[in-house]
Parts: sequence; C-alpha cells; structure tokens
Amino acid sequence: QLQLQESGPGLVKPSETLSLTCTVSGGSINSSSSYWGWIRQPPGKGLEWIGSIHFSGSAFYNPSLKSRVSISVDTAKDHFSLRLSSVTAADTAVYFCARDRYGSGPLWKTEFDYWGQGTLVTVSS
Amino acid sequence: DIQMTQSPSSLSASVGDRVTITCRASQYISRDLNWYQRKPGKAPKLLIYAASSLQSGVPSRFSGSGSGTDFTLTISSLQSEDFATYYCQQSYNTPLITFGQGTRLEIK
Repeated sequence: QLQLQESGPGLVKPSETLSLTCTVSGGSINSSSSYWGWIRQPPGKGLEWIGSIHFSGSAFYNPSLKSRVSISVDTAKDHFSLRLSSVTAADTAVYFCARDRYGSGPLWKTEFDYWGQGTLVTVSS
Repeated sequence: DIQMTQSPSSLSASVGDRVTITCRASQYISRDLNWYQRKPGKAPKLLIYAASSLQSGVPSRFSGSGSGTDFTLTISSLQSEDFATYYCQQSYNTPLITFGQGTRLEIK
C-alpha cells in the first residue's frame, strides 16, 4: 500500500521560504506512469493545485504561483519537495502531497489516488 | 484556465436520502472529470474518475455521470459516513488542473 507523508515546519515568517518534503513509502517514486503533486487548502477555502513533478524531473506549476514555486525530486530517497518563496498570510494552508496516477488512457489525465495526511503551515511573524 | 463551478455550495440531507451534486466546467472537458471526498482532518479521497468510473474500494452507492461541461455526483442512499465536503476536478487541461469550490454535505 502506497503511503505519502508530508514533513516540514508548521510556522513560517512572512517573506521567508516555505519548504516541505513528501516521503513516499510502500512503492517507488521511480514510476514512469506516476506524477507527484502538491495541493493546498487554505482555511475555509477549497483545494488549489500547486504543481506536479515526474521522477525524471519534469515539473509543472500553477501559473498563479509559478514565480514563487519550485518542486524537486530525490529518487534515491523516494521523496519530493516543495519550496514556496516570499510567503504571506495568504499562503497559510494545509499542504498535501499526492500521487497522480496518470489516468488509464493514452494521454496524461491527472487523478490523485493516494494522498498524504496533510500538514498545516501557518505564515505569521 | 478552466473554471469549475459546483452547486449547491452546501446541502442538508438525511440518512437514506438520494443526493445529487452538480459540477459545471467553463468550457468543454469531454469526460475528464474526477470527484473527491474530504472529511475534516483527513486527506481527500478519490471517489469517481473519468466522470463515471468508480474508484476501487468506493461503495457502489456513489456514481458519476456527465460529459462536455455538465457533470453530477449522486449518492443513492446517504450513510452517516458520507457527510463531508465533495470536490470536482477537471483533468482535461492536465497538468493545469483545477478544482471546484466544494459542496458541503451536512446532516439535516
């Protein structure tokens, strides 16, 4: 059974960089048919996709966050990481990592089938 | 980007009720639509993918339908464990996916 677990600071100061890691267990991050994504949910709001990465290093980002986001992958450690710079209170959210299983057809169609439990990150001085 | 609009935003229902939630896309998305369930303190759970395919392990009282721009999630007979918030997500524009704003299903 694939498991994902987010880790990182729960409190970040405004203007600093948020850094989170998602560790994958029960399976390998080196799957050609999987992407690995970050999604967040601010308090009282809906889900927002942040970005996704393939084990090859190919990454895609939400255009609204692209200038501040970086996602990387470490295949040796079976984990992938999120960095979000210049954070403000609006970045306070529960951050989830998830496996995107690519979909069953010939084209990549995102389906997040395994999720971490989520970690609350608060931006405050 | 593709905007996803769910209705209603919240819904009160009783155990045993049949419930339908609607999701509308701002443009054509074929059948590239997934549904998730989110309970407080829990990770989202994939219920339905590709508009109408039931994810493994999900009870058969959940079903999805639709294509093009209009989609529905139906729970045929509500159980107590189904009270949660439900989100649709378009995968047509992968990797630039978007979620609906959510529908909160509450106990009447």
